[in-house]
Amino acid sequence: EPEVTQTPSHQVTQMGQEVILRCVPISNHLYFYWYRQILGQKVEFLVSFYNNEISEKSEIFDDQFSVERPDGSNFTLKIRSTKLEDSAMYFCASSRRADPNQPQHFGDGTRLSIL
Amino acid sequence: TQLLEQSPQFLSIQEGENLTVYCNSSSVFSSLQWYRQEPGEGPVLLVTVVTGGEVKKLKRLTFQFGDARKDSSLHITAAQPGDTGLYLCATRPSDTGKLIFGQGTTLQVKP
Repeated sequence: EPEVTQTPSHQVTQMGQEVILRCVPISNHLYFYWYRQILGQKVEFLVSFYNNEISEKSEIFDDQFSVERPDGSNFTLKIRSTKLEDSAMYFCASSRRADPNQPQHFGDGTRLSIL
Repeated sequence: TQLLEQSPQFLSIQEGENLTVYCNSSSVFSSLQWYRQEPGEGPVLLVTVVTGGEVKKLKRLTFQFGDARKDSSLHITAAQPGDTGLYLCATRPSDTGKLIFGQGTTLQVKP
């Protein structure tokens, strides 16, 4: 069964450095999402992306964050200048459509640790 | 913003026992999804419920959507150690693609 893949599985970065998290969504999916889960807290929506542009973003997704689909397969999340509080699991998800009944398929996440 | 409250937060039971976990909201759900998340992995969709009063079964798991579509429950019959994990409910507001998650119920089933 096709799946969403994320790399790396664990990223350790110094505070203030830039980090890029990578995702390969399921090939025939059109909608892409990033979520994060701080340890012990709920999964939080960051951003949704469709037709090469952001369709919705949360308050968490400030100017330090950006997303890109540089080619036909990858979907990336960039954090420009990382802060300690950016430490979390980051999950990429994709779906064929955006309606409420369509499942989102999640990758296994990237654990981001900011030192 | 719609808030989802899940209870209990933690549940530790013996193999063979039955259990129920709950997901509640002050607002009406357009639809509700239940996910299961294991350590080191992403959430995996178990079921989507859409219609008030709907009941769906997945082997030993029974999902119920409240008549008023403001609450849902997940009942597991004869729990097994393989059921151990974090159970999340989530909803998608009708005009957006984002998922809003509850804080989850951590289930531990001891052999």
